[in-house]
Amino acid sequence: DVVMTQSPLSLSVTLGQPASISCRSSQSLVYSDGNTYLNWFHQRPGQSPRRLIYKVSNRDSGVPDRFSGSGSGTDFTLKISRVEAEDVGVYYCMQGTHLFGGGTKVEIK
Amino acid sequence: EVQLVESGGGLVKPGGSLRLSCVASGFTFSTYSMNWVRQAPGKGLEWVSSISSNSNYMYYADSVKGRFTISRDNAKNSLYLQMNSLRAEDTAVYYCADDNSGSWGQGTLVTVSS
Repeated sequence: DVVMTQSPLSLSVTLGQPASISCRSSQSLVYSDGNTYLNWFHQRPGQSPRRLIYKVSNRDSGVPDRFSGSGSGTDFTLKISRVEAEDVGVYYCMQGTHLFGGGTKVEIK
Repeated sequence: EVQLVESGGGLVKPGGSLRLSCVASGFTFSTYSMNWVRQAPGKGLEWVSSISSNSNYMYYADSVKGRFTISRDNAKNSLYLQMNSLRAEDTAVYYCADDNSGSWGQGTLVTVSS
């Protein structure tokens, strides 16, 4: 079975500073159609998850450009170029068959 | 704007049943596969089940296989989850989610307790 591993488990970031979250899959996420189905979600406390990034690097509508996704094969990264107060919460990666990583909690230092 | 509104959650005893519903709007519901995802209190996200646009394919997490049934009514823009033989470990907020738009509903809480 595929295992999705996120790191770190938690992150304390100063406002305006960058942040980076890693997601590793135990198997390649490249599908037979040539696409890599790796999404990133953000869940603020008490709210539903919101998708930020789909297929590795595509930002969803309305997502600030300070968020970016990258990676290939089994290693993926979500980067926030300058953390803002509204970015607190838990970030999850998810692969194409809806297997989620364990989550990374982001807080403001 | 895509909207997904879940309902049907509540308190149920172990072994009991519950049927969740999700009404969709703002997109062509009949075109896309749909999903149920749950989140136990204080825990991460767990995919539960998916159904293809025309109901030809249904998939389930091992943890619910044989107990839960996903279905949809495209004429009513609605997604359902029939949950039988409920266990304490099924206690969670259940979200309906659309892969195409990435939208999720607000969730409905299911509590299984005697």
